[in-house]
Amino acid sequence: EIVLTQSPGTLSLSPGERATLSCRASQSVIDVYLAWYQQKPGQAPRLLLYGASNRATGIPDRFSGSGSGTDFTLTISRLEPEDFAVYYCQQYTPSLTWTFGQGTKVEIK
Amino acid sequence: QVQLQESGPRLVKPSETLSLICTVSGGSISSYYWNWIRQPPGKGLEWIGYIHYTGTTNYNPSLKSRVTMSLDRSKNHFSLKLSSVTAADTAVYYCARDRSAAPGSANYWGQGALVTVSS
Repeated sequence: EIVLTQSPGTLSLSPGERATLSCRASQSVIDVYLAWYQQKPGQAPRLLLYGASNRATGIPDRFSGSGSGTDFTLTISRLEPEDFAVYYCQQYTPSLTWTFGQGTKVEIK
Repeated sequence: QVQLQESGPRLVKPSETLSLICTVSGGSISSYYWNWIRQPPGKGLEWIGYIHYTGTTNYNPSLKSRVTMSLDRSKNHFSLKLSSVTAADTAVYYCARDRSAAPGSANYWGQGALVTVSS
């Protein structure tokens, strides 16, 4: 089973700053099957990126993704007030199942 | 615009079966992969499984022995049954549709249904 480990657990930043979130897999992941979600309190997750770097419909271009193999990154270039939330990476595994990372909380410093 | 809505009992007794339905509007259930994901209070996301519009299913190995998914094209909905529940199954249950015909990520989600397991 491929485990996704996200770091840091919590990121304390100010609006306007750059956020860099990491997602590390225990084995190599096919990047086309790596996604990122944003979740705000009381809401369902929202798909941000799929295929590691492709923005979902309606997602602002301040969100970008990169990486391959076992190391993936979500970058928010300039944090807006609405970006403070929890972010999850997710993979679709070779056994046709999904796994999620444990999440990174981006909080206001 | 595709919309998903979970429905079903919000309180289930231990050892009984949790049953939820996800009703799809604004689109047909006769395509795509349809998923169930849950989130215990204050914790992260756990994928339960999917059902393809052809009826093919795949479940999280950790839950496989207790999970059954089905779909009803006439009602444009799909369902989840989780048997022999315990307090550890208390969670918000989300239904979600894959972004494209190929599986891998979901861009349409229901609002979630908090199901509590308690006597």
